[in-house]
Amino acid sequence: AQSVTQPDIHITVSEGASLELRCNYSYGATPYLFWYVQSPGQGLQLLLKYFSGDTLVQGIKGFEAEFKRSQSSFNLRKPSVHWSDAAEYFCAVGAKGYSTLTFGKGTMLLVSP
Amino acid sequence: NAGVTQTPKFQVLKTGQSMTLQCAQDMNHEYMSWYRQDPGMGLRLIHYSVGAGITDQGEVPNGYNVSRSTTEDFPLRLLSAAPSQTSVYFCASSPQPGGNQPQHFGDGTRLSIL
Repeated sequence: AQSVTQPDIHITVSEGASLELRCNYSYGATPYLFWYVQSPGQGLQLLLKYFSGDTLVQGIKGFEAEFKRSQSSFNLRKPSVHWSDAAEYFCAVGAKGYSTLTFGKGTMLLVSP
Repeated sequence: NAGVTQTPKFQVLKTGQSMTLQCAQDMNHEYMSWYRQDPGMGLRLIHYSVGAGITDQGEVPNGYNVSRSTTEDFPLRLLSAAPSQTSVYFCASSPQPGGNQPQHFGDGTRLSIL
């Protein structure tokens, strides 16, 4: 079965600074990888996904993520953070032959002025 | 274009009461699922359905029942509510079952059990 680890529970970034949120997965074959964002009181919204091909994927709101098979990682990045990016971010992994996704425990992003 | 609609948005129950959380989607999606979200625990899968008439258990199914009589609806039933079921519940759907399917989420039901 697949699993996902998000090592950072909270991260604080200054507005305008760059951001990287870490995600490590465990799965034997090529996984399907997702990043979701959850604003307070809302459901989860898909930011981006990786299935195959180019290992650098672009998403909405200026986010990108890079799949690194050698490190079993799928880190989320943004060059310049805005105050509206403050939210909780979830990494998720799916696998061929499985119906469901497995979510990480989330990273809460705080943006300081 | 409503997407995934969950009702109610908030609910307070007493221990031992029963309740049904409603979930409806208007996208003709085959796959639907229920998650609970607790602080520090992320999202944990309760039950899921790969089509009308077909349901299966997820990671934390105890204390919950589901049925899928139509493609659109996937209600979650708490048979005898317990304080440990205090949580935020999310319903999600995708066009097909499968690990490559992005999930569409509702806005959640915030449930408190006293």
